[in-house]
Amino acid sequence: DAGITQSPRYKITETGRQVTLMCHQTWSHSYMFWYRQDLGHGLRLIYYSAAADITDKGEVPDGYVVSRSKTENFPLTLESATRSQTSVYFCASHRGLTSYEQYFGPGTRLTVT
Amino acid sequence: SQQGEEDPQALSIQEGENATMNCSYKTSINNLQWYRQNSGRGLVHLILIRSNEREKHSGRLRVTLDTSKKSSSLLITASRAADTASYFCATLPGAQKLVFGQGTRLTINP
Repeated sequence: DAGITQSPRYKITETGRQVTLMCHQTWSHSYMFWYRQDLGHGLRLIYYSAAADITDKGEVPDGYVVSRSKTENFPLTLESATRSQTSVYFCASHRGLTSYEQYFGPGTRLTVT
Repeated sequence: SQQGEEDPQALSIQEGENATMNCSYKTSINNLQWYRQNSGRGLVHLILIRSNEREKHSGRLRVTLDTSKKSSSLLITASRAADTASYFCATLPGAQKLVFGQGTRLTINP
C-alpha cells in the first residue's frame, strides 16, 4: 500500500558517530520534510526539499545533512551525533503547490549516548 | 521560534463532552491546519482552514479562524475515548513550510 515509511524506527548511537535516518514515500510527492519533536518545543523543521536535488534549511539545520537524489527518498544524516540530537524524528511529504496537507511517517526515536 | 501556541497545554474531559482547544499565532498566514498525534505515532492531518475562511466543519470537528486576533479554535463535539491524543495547530506563513505549536494533550475519560 502507498505510504511514507521511516527506518530505523529506533536507534541508539554514541556521541560522535554518523547516523543516517531513512525516509521513503510512494506517492511521488514533490515536497518532503524532516522534523524533530522534543518535549517543550513541539515539532521543529530541520530541512525540507521541494523536488529532487532541491533542498533548503528549516529552523534547526545545524548538525544535519540531507540529500534528495530521487523523488521518493529523503535521507537525513547526523554527521557527528551529539546528545542534544536525542529526539524523535519525523519525515513528512505533500504534493506541493496548492496542496498543503502533510502526510507524516511513523517516526524514528533516536538516542545518542 | 514557534508560530502557534496552543491553549490549554492539557485538557481532561468526560466522554461525550465537547473539547475546545485554542491556537494563537504571530504573523499573517495563508492557512492554518490542525493535526492529531496518537501516542507513539506520526501526525495525522485533520482539517485546513484558509485565511479567507472563518469557520469550517468536518464530521465532529469545527474549526474557527479569526485573523484579526490571530487565533483559531478546534472544537471536538461528543468526544470519544479514541479522541485521546495530542492536537497541534500549524500555520503556513508562506513558502510551503508549516510552523507547529507545542500541542494540547487531550484525555477523554470513560
